[in-house]
Amino acid sequence: QKEVEQDPGPLSVPEGAIVSLNCTYSNSAFQYFMWYRQYSRKGPELLMYTYSSGNKEDGRFTAQVDKSSKYISLFIRDSQPSDSATYLCAMSGGNYGQNFVFGPGTRLSVLP
Amino acid sequence: ETGVTQTPRHLVMGMTNKKSLKCEQHLGHNAMYWYKQSAKKPLELMFVYSLEERVENNSVPSRFSPECPNSSHLFLHLHTLQPEDSALYLCASSQAPSILAESTDTQYFGPGTRLTVL
Repeated sequence: QKEVEQDPGPLSVPEGAIVSLNCTYSNSAFQYFMWYRQYSRKGPELLMYTYSSGNKEDGRFTAQVDKSSKYISLFIRDSQPSDSATYLCAMSGGNYGQNFVFGPGTRLSVLP
Repeated sequence: ETGVTQTPRHLVMGMTNKKSLKCEQHLGHNAMYWYKQSAKKPLELMFVYSLEERVENNSVPSRFSPECPNSSHLFLHLHTLQPEDSALYLCASSQAPSILAESTDTQYFGPGTRLTVL
């Protein structure tokens, strides 16, 4: 079983749709959960991070963490064509790089 | 801009060349990382430096040699590479956790160097 699983997509949605991106993981030691957005030929850009379980909202983006189910989600409301990118989940035990793991990424296309 | 810069942005080299990738962070972080991103593969952690000491080396071939002269600069020296080493090489930095302050270990990435080995 891979440590972090994420549907690679591609996921295509119409503009204005609500997008749901998800990751599952197996290591219960993870405490910090992050979502990165990566445009083509660019480095990953941090979107949101969450500590432990709960929800966090930032504009059109909402991150959810359910540690009991080992499941994290990123919701994008009112999706825009500029949201088209690869979204990577990442998680960490908080020990600088040791035990810092990325999912493979989900490629999202928002169609105008 | 994330506060992490990488040069060069693109590099084409032959298998017998020696080249170096440079990373600089302006965020006051004390941990730096090299990642490799190949097509259709997850990010692969190559090296971790914390407080200028190498903390982790994920069994990377010796043809990749990192150097961290201070907390703001990180190099990746390349020699006798193979075509399968062609990839995007990403540098990242973070604030290593300490007993004095909780850290998210959140990493901030540079734009990457697109490397092609002929």
